[in-house]
This record gives sequence, C-alpha cells and structure tokens, in this order.
Amino acid sequence: DIQMTQSPSSLSASIGDRVTITCRASQAISTHLVWYQQKPGKTPKLLITAASTLQSGVPSRFSGSGSGTEFTLTISSLQPEDFATYYCQKYNSAPFTFGPGTRVDLK
Amino acid sequence: EVQLVESGGGLVKPGESLRLSCEVSGFIFSDYAMNWVRQAPGKGLEWVSTINPESTYTYHADSVKGRFTVSRDDAKNSLYLQMNDLKAEDTAVYHCVRDWGYGVYWGPGTLVTVSS
Repeated sequence: DIQMTQSPSSLSASIGDRVTITCRASQAISTHLVWYQQKPGKTPKLLITAASTLQSGVPSRFSGSGSGTEFTLTISSLQPEDFATYYCQKYNSAPFTFGPGTRVDLK
Repeated sequence: EVQLVESGGGLVKPGESLRLSCEVSGFIFSDYAMNWVRQAPGKGLEWVSTINPESTYTYHADSVKGRFTVSRDDAKNSLYLQMNDLKAEDTAVYHCVRDWGYGVYWGPGTLVTVSS
C-alpha cells in the first residue's frame, strides 16, 4: 500500500508569513491528491483537489503544486483564520490514505 | 442541500458489535461512492471503508478488515457500517463521506467509544 507522509508535523508562524507544507507519497499517484483544512471540533474543509485546483470559495492565498510523489500546500500570507491542521489525502485508488497532518499554530 | 447524518454511535465494551447508519439527502445517493472515515480523539483522519455506487466493490482499511463491513441501501438513501469485535483503538468519531475530490461532503460524525 502507498504510504503518505507530511512535513513538518507542526509549525509555528506569524500573521503574514509564507507557509509551506509538504506531502509525500511512497509511490507515484499522479495528481490524485487533495488538501483539507480542519479546525478543532469541525469536519475537514476541502481546499484543493487534483493537487493544484483551488476549490470555490477558498482564498487565493492557498495554492497547491506537485505530481507523482511530492506535493506542497502553500499559504502565501498566513491569516488568523488559517491556524488549523492540514491533511493531504490520495484518492486515486483504495486505500484512500490520509497524511498524518500538519498543525499550524501561532508563533 | 446535501446532508449526511450519521447515527448509531455509543459506548460499547471490547468484543461487542455496533452498526452505524448514515442517512443522506439532497443528491442522488445511488450515483455516488460512499466512505467511512474516523478520527480518534486528538488524532488524525483515518480512512476506514468505501463502497462503490452499485455495491459491487467494497474496500476496508487493514486495521478493520475482517471486523467491519460497509453496505448501502439505495432505496433508503442510507449507508451502513457493521462493526464487530470492537477494540479500544476503534474509539473515534466516525464520519460518513460522499465521494472524494471536488464532490466530497462530510457528515458531522457519530462517536463510538469502546471501553470496559
């Protein structure tokens, strides 16, 4: 089975910072990757599909890139509402594995 | 409006069984693959099970294979998860999830607690 990893597992950042989270797949998954944002007590919110397609309503400061085995989620200028945990997930075939998550908190 | 509402969670002892249900509305249920995803307290998201639109294929995570069974009843717009031989590590909020990708919708979840 394909394993998904994320780095870092957590990071501390300030408002306005550029933040980059990396997701790696143990085998190539083309661009069959999504990114979610989850806040405490809430269901995950879909940010990006197909590795780089921003979902409707998601601020343009979020962007995704990558293909194959390495992917990145970038927040160009961190805002107060962006403090959350971010997960990647492969969705090309079962098992539909999630990454372990990256927690973004306030420095 | 798309809605997914899970039910059936609760407190059970190790080795016992539980059946979760997810009733959906606002879309043509029979057109979509459906999934169960769980999240243990303070932990990350874990994919559990998937069933395709015609129920010809089901998939389960290794952690639940042989104990959990996903099924659906398109006439009742409902998804189910039969959970047998429950273990403490199955304690989690279980979410019903429609499809993946841009068409994804998540239910709010139902809490399953396995404890003696």
